[in-house]
Parts: sequence; structure tokens; C-alpha cells
Amino acid sequence: QVQLVESGGGVVQPGRSLRLSCSASGFTFKNYAMHWVRQAPGRGLEWVASVSYGGDGKLYAASVKGRFTVSRDNSKNTLHLRMTSLRSDDTAMYYCAKDVVTAPEMGISFDRWGQGTLVTVAS
Amino acid sequence: SSDLTQDPAVSVALGQTVRITCQGDSLRTFYATWYQQKSGQAPFLVIYDGSKRPSGIPDRFSGSRSGRTVSLTITGAQAEDEADYYCTSRDTSDNSVIFGGGTKLTVL
Repeated sequence: QVQLVESGGGVVQPGRSLRLSCSASGFTFKNYAMHWVRQAPGRGLEWVASVSYGGDGKLYAASVKGRFTVSRDNSKNTLHLRMTSLRSDDTAMYYCAKDVVTAPEMGISFDRWGQGTLVTVAS
Repeated sequence: SSDLTQDPAVSVALGQTVRITCQGDSLRTFYATWYQQKSGQAPFLVIYDGSKRPSGIPDRFSGSRSGRTVSLTITGAQAEDEADYYCTSRDTSDNSVIFGGGTKLTVL
């Protein structure tokens, strides 16, 4: 079955960097766009970034553009999120998610989610 | 516009029908997607492309659109439907993904 397992979260000081990873299994990873969505404690969902199935197309939320970089390694079935210049308002659970359909475009419908990795930005 | 507006909370009696709505200008152009999130769990896709149900989603869940408002209807709500529900669509200005603020559904 489809599994997405995030890792790399933790406590980090403001201004520092962190790299999240998402290990995928149970589906043909290279055929699907992938996404990162976060949720601050007690708050709603916020889309962070998307990457096309080939890795060449990328979209970012305005709140992270220029600071976060999404990438993927289709040979290792792994999705990454490189986060730099971290701020307190980046504190959240970060989920990776799989697009519902195989297509060149990055969709908005995510049919499988990981359990998330918690990032806490604090001094 | 980049906003999707949802009522913060809605309640429904067990077995009754409830409609959860989401409003936004982008919904005139793009289909909506709906997610269910139960306490302490990751979100779960219940409706995509406006009205499509992924496999395994009960047919009591349905989606519809009227103008700039989309709705998630649960016909015969069950206790296990108690959760937060989020709509999502695409921002017409920059193609980004936008989420509504979420609606907390209580089944009485």
C-alpha cells in the first residue's frame, strides 16, 4: 500500500536551516507530482510547495518563496524540502502528500498523506 | 482573490444531512477539493475535481458548486464524520494552492 514517511523535523533556532525528507513506497513515485503542506499548532492547513513528477516544475507559497526549496530524487523515491532562514511562524507539522492523478501538471488534490514531521523554530 | 471562506463550525444531528460551504472567487474558475481531518490525524481526501469521490469514500459524501460557492454535503451524517473539513482550490493570480480556514463539524 502507499506509504509516505516524513523525517528531518526537530527544534531549530531562528535563522537556521533544516532539510525535510519524505520517503515514498507502494506506488510509482516518478509518475506523480508531490506536495508539502504544513499545519501550525491549533491552526488550519497551509500549502507550502509542489513539484512536478519530473522535478522541473515547482510552485511555492508566497510565505516561503525564496527561503524554501522543494526537490525530488526519483531514483530514491524521495521528496525533500530545504528550509532556510527559518522563522517562528514556520513552526508547524509538515506533511508530504501525493497527487491524486498522474499528470505533468501539479494538481491541488492529494490522495495520500504522511503522518507529518514537526518543525519547531525557537531560540 | 486568494481567499476561501468557510464557516468555523457546523453541527448536525446523527443521521441528518449537513452542508459545509466554501466561498471564493477562484471557485468560479477552478474545481474544489475537500479534505477531512480528524483530531490528531493527517488530512484525508474526500472529494476532488468538485464532485469526484476517491475509492473507499462513502457515497453519503458529495460535492457541488453554485457560482462562487462550493459545498460538501453529508447525507445521513455518522458519528465518525465528526472532524475538521477543509476546502481547497487554486489561486487565479499565481496558480498557487489555497486552503479555506476549515469547518469543525460536530455530530450531535
